[in-house]
Amino acid sequence: GAVVSQHPSWVICKSGTSVKIECRSLDFQATTMFWYRQFPKQSLMLMATSNEGSKATYEQGVEKDKFLINHASLTLSTLTVTSAHPEDSSFYICSAWQGLGTEAFFGQGTRLTVV
Amino acid sequence: AQTVTQSQPEMSVQEAETVTLSCTYDTSESDYYLFWYKQPPSRQMILVIRQEAYKQQNATENRFSVNFQKAAKSFSLKISDSQLGDAAMYFCAYRSGGSEKLVFGKGTKLTVNP
Repeated sequence: GAVVSQHPSWVICKSGTSVKIECRSLDFQATTMFWYRQFPKQSLMLMATSNEGSKATYEQGVEKDKFLINHASLTLSTLTVTSAHPEDSSFYICSAWQGLGTEAFFGQGTRLTVV
Repeated sequence: AQTVTQSQPEMSVQEAETVTLSCTYDTSESDYYLFWYKQPPSRQMILVIRQEAYKQQNATENRFSVNFQKAAKSFSLKISDSQLGDAAMYFCAYRSGGSEKLVFGKGTKLTVNP
């Protein structure tokens, strides 16, 4: 089946620095990718929709200047957490659909810890 | 806006027994898809089963089957012959036919007892 690869799996960064998370569709092209945030023991919360070649669409309450999304190619979307703070520590997951209505494939997730 | 409700935060089942996880949803649309995703301790999201709203027949994937009651807006998951590897968080999800966005329920944590 289709694979979505997310990197890194975990990252620790210092408060005030920026960290980039990559999401790649390995064997299919994805014009749209999605970024989620998951707090411990909670569900996935959609942060933004990443659109290839255009601006991302952010969900209400998500700071677009804090969470920068770039979808520069049909197989790669990146999420950059800028000026990270401890409250940004979370599990971030990306996903992409292979064919409308079939199945959303998810990356392995990235555990971000800001110290 | 569409909502997905999973009323069972936690469930447990004995190995080899059957368990049913509940999910209800609210929508005014006629074209949509419903999914059950499994998230084991590794936190990798895995599709368990998918149901198209226009299909009357309940979807089945090996030990996993759904009871799709469109009028009642109910979409429960039945796991037969439960195995230790079935222990995970299970999320019910809704997708509108005209969108790629998934709306997730809060999840049900399933424990399988040996």
